[in-house]
Amino acid sequence: DIVMTQSPDSLAVSLGERATINCKSSQSVLYSSNNKNYLAWYQQKPGQAPKLLIYWASTRESGVPDRFSGSGSGTDFTLTISSLQAEDVAVYYCQQYFTTGTFGQGTKVDIK
Amino acid sequence: EVQLVQSGAELKKPGESLKISCKASGYNFISSWIGWVRQMPGKGLEWMGIIYPRDSDTRYSPSFQGQVTISADKSITTAYLQWSSLAASDTAMYYCARGLPFDSWGQGTLVTVSS
Repeated sequence: DIVMTQSPDSLAVSLGERATINCKSSQSVLYSSNNKNYLAWYQQKPGQAPKLLIYWASTRESGVPDRFSGSGSGTDFTLTISSLQAEDVAVYYCQQYFTTGTFGQGTKVDIK
Repeated sequence: EVQLVQSGAELKKPGESLKISCKASGYNFISSWIGWVRQMPGKGLEWMGIIYPRDSDTRYSPSFQGQVTISADKSITTAYLQWSSLAASDTAMYYCARGLPFDSWGQGTLVTVSS
């Protein structure tokens, strides 16, 4: 099974500042036949179900604010929140869907 | 609008069986994968398995293979997660979700196993 490792486990960022979360997979999730990375990012707020933010590593889901962006390829990926808002306080998870599916352990984002 | 509506909270005793459900609407049920995710109290998301209702192709995480059974009934557009013998360690919130990746989620079913 592919193991997903996120860093850091938690971070606190001032309102309006940038937040960066990293995700590393134990093997590549890039499918050479279509050149797509099978990597998604989710946001989970307290007491709520998770919400899909990003898929194919960098494609924003419909309705997701453009301050959220994803990048990376192969085994190393990043989720960036360009200007943190109060409503972005949540736990963020990466997930590979290259082979079945596994989640990272989550990164908690708070306001500094 | 895609909707996944899960069955209500359950309180069970160790050793009992359980089947929880996820009723799908608003899309072609047989043409999308539907899966289950566990979240133990205060912990992260764990991918359990998925099923493709058109042909019942089912994939499990190695961690959950043999521990649970995932099924689907195309006639009533409903997916299921079942246990034959619950343990206290199965206490968790369980989510169903559609697609690869999971673009729509149910509201969650809280399963509590306690003697």
